[in-house]
Amino acid sequence: GAGVSQSPRYKVAKRGQDVALRCDPISGHVSLFWYQQALGQGPEFLTYFQNEAQLDKSGLPSDRFFAERPEGSVSTLKIQRTQQEDSAVYLCASSLGGGSSGAEAFFGQGTRLTVV
Amino acid sequence: GDSVTQMEGPVTLSEEAFLTINCTYTATGYPSLFWYVQYPGEGLQLLLKATKADDKGSNKGFEATYRKETTSFHLEKGSVQVSDSAVYFCAPNSNSGYALNFGKGTSLLVTP
Repeated sequence: GAGVSQSPRYKVAKRGQDVALRCDPISGHVSLFWYQQALGQGPEFLTYFQNEAQLDKSGLPSDRFFAERPEGSVSTLKIQRTQQEDSAVYLCASSLGGGSSGAEAFFGQGTRLTVV
Repeated sequence: GDSVTQMEGPVTLSEEAFLTINCTYTATGYPSLFWYVQYPGEGLQLLLKATKADDKGSNKGFEATYRKETTSFHLEKGSVQVSDSAVYFCAPNSNSGYALNFGKGTSLLVTP
């Protein structure tokens, strides 16, 4: 596709449920990022992939959060045993090169997760 | 840790008014600097960037200059339009060099 695609756009989960959020980056983009955006805040970095390698997961808030990109294209962010504080918009971004400073990141529209 | 401070919104301006959105940051070294914009119902998109001191990024009539001395990257536009209504995010690269460190965002509403 022409841009970064995320699905689902909206997800309502009951507390304790597991969820999986999908990201299709722009074809050929090496770098892929996940960010979490709470209401009224700027996005916060969660994790970074270069091809299939997860090079940085320092932003994942707990061990309930897990991300993968097994073939270096599509990525999935999984949240186990969701809690209310996980409610946020989850943004995926990709960029062409290997994560160099100054590279433009292209963002998807995000998945809005609401935990009830 | 690194931090980004943007002026609080919402900012409401009349069409053709002058716009400034202040942004200051703390960082180790000299990160690349970005402004991203989110129009209603759309995803974040790059508005402009600057990668070294004294560089000026510009796009769609918006400008921002990389000020190393004051660690600032203020966004300006001489004459705003209704279509500029959006949320604007200042975002230096983080110390990692690849991730972005976003401010809280400034909501702009331009009225006819």
